[in-house]
Amino acid sequence: ETGVTQSPTHLIKTRGQQVTLRCSSQSGHNTVSWYQQALGQGPQFIFQYYREEENGRGNFPPRFSGLQFPNYSSELNVNALELDDSALYLCASSSANSVAGARGEQYFGPGTRLTVT
Amino acid sequence: SQQGEEDPQALSIQEGENATMNCSYKTSINNLQWYRQNSGRGLVHLILIRSNEREKHSGRLRVTLDTSKKSSSLLITASRAADTASYFCAPGKITGNQFYFGTGTSLTVIP
Repeated sequence: ETGVTQSPTHLIKTRGQQVTLRCSSQSGHNTVSWYQQALGQGPQFIFQYYREEENGRGNFPPRFSGLQFPNYSSELNVNALELDDSALYLCASSSANSVAGARGEQYFGPGTRLTVT
Repeated sequence: SQQGEEDPQALSIQEGENATMNCSYKTSINNLQWYRQNSGRGLVHLILIRSNEREKHSGRLRVTLDTSKKSSSLLITASRAADTASYFCAPGKITGNQFYFGTGTSLTVIP
């Protein structure tokens, strides 16, 4: 167990709806990264938060947004859900000394399986 | 790109045999990490090798890094059925800690 938790475990939504996924990072970690993993693919980087600010973003549209709270937990919000958003969503926490980011390992949560119908 | 690309895509071996998987990348790195994923669950960190290291061991794992060829390999010795999983490499940028994973190597160890 990594100490990173995600909720919910599974979620079913309808196209067009909005969803919020949650992540609690490992104690002492100040950086959270979110990834989307479609079936049979590797995780795709969505964005990273460091000390409550977005610190890098992958190739995802603005309807993917996030928040990081003072306790370093994080939310991923997806608006106007599309069928292709069906995937496993992973968060990973790590520790960084600056906005340049950590250079050590990331600790992944178990993921949230989102199904869009 | 910063993406790591694993090879082969799939590997099937008998229990007790060694498994070797490779990773290639295109940009300068600070470190390279290997992760394992079981059955669509979260990724588990296996080993980190820094850009100034050439080889690193951890239990039955051996990782090599050749920065001149921009490649790394992961060797799992004396494989077990429990090693069945997907394996991903993650090249770490000079700055930041944002990983761009490839599609991974799917390893099946047959008892």
